[in-house]
Amino acid sequence: GAVVSQHPSWVICKSGTSVKIECRSLDFQATTMFWYRQFPKQSLMLMATSNEGSKATYEQGVEKDKFLINHASLTLSTLTVTSAHPEDSSFYICSARATGRNEQFFGPGTRLTVL
Amino acid sequence: GENVEQHPSTLSVQEGDSAVIKCTYSDSASNYFPWYKQELGKRPQLIIDIRSNVGEKKDQRIAVTLNKTAKHFSLHITETQPEDSAVYFCAASRTGGYNKLIFGAGTRLAVHP
Repeated sequence: GAVVSQHPSWVICKSGTSVKIECRSLDFQATTMFWYRQFPKQSLMLMATSNEGSKATYEQGVEKDKFLINHASLTLSTLTVTSAHPEDSSFYICSARATGRNEQFFGPGTRLTVL
Repeated sequence: GENVEQHPSTLSVQEGDSAVIKCTYSDSASNYFPWYKQELGKRPQLIIDIRSNVGEKKDQRIAVTLNKTAKHFSLHITETQPEDSAVYFCAASRTGGYNKLIFGAGTRLAVHP
């Protein structure tokens, strides 16, 4: 139980293009999903909290117009990196929390490389 | 704002020895404390967690202790094995609602055969 998938696992794109990453909870309903980015040898940096049916809550310093989050159902949240630049290259990881539970379960991550 | 400090940043032990990682949190309202293990290039895996109504929890070779008064919690791994080598993250959060995890900086554990 508590499986979270993420797609794609890696993506390479040209500067200026947009990239969409999907996060799915496969065997549970997740009212809340979280999006993190992780640079090499660093901790997880929370970008935003994605709440089903409402607007995402962004952390300080994260541009909401650049990192678009949609949480349209209890099993799917998407992160779109708009107009990507090389500095956006990173490992993006989502996590999902089941309704009424504390535990967060992580997706396998998406490695984004912007050329 | 909320903060979690984690020590040490790196830890090297011989196979069979014990490893201890310590974390301190700042938000006194935190009451949920998970530990994650992350291998290189992979997702963080929840290995154990503790809630504020208990002081210790064990699962085979892994144990976590919590001192709410001092706002400390620790991960103890006994009889370490090479496959325990990974980065370990502690985290703290309040429960309920949309509360987020505050992560420590991580500890890189190396277990040498």
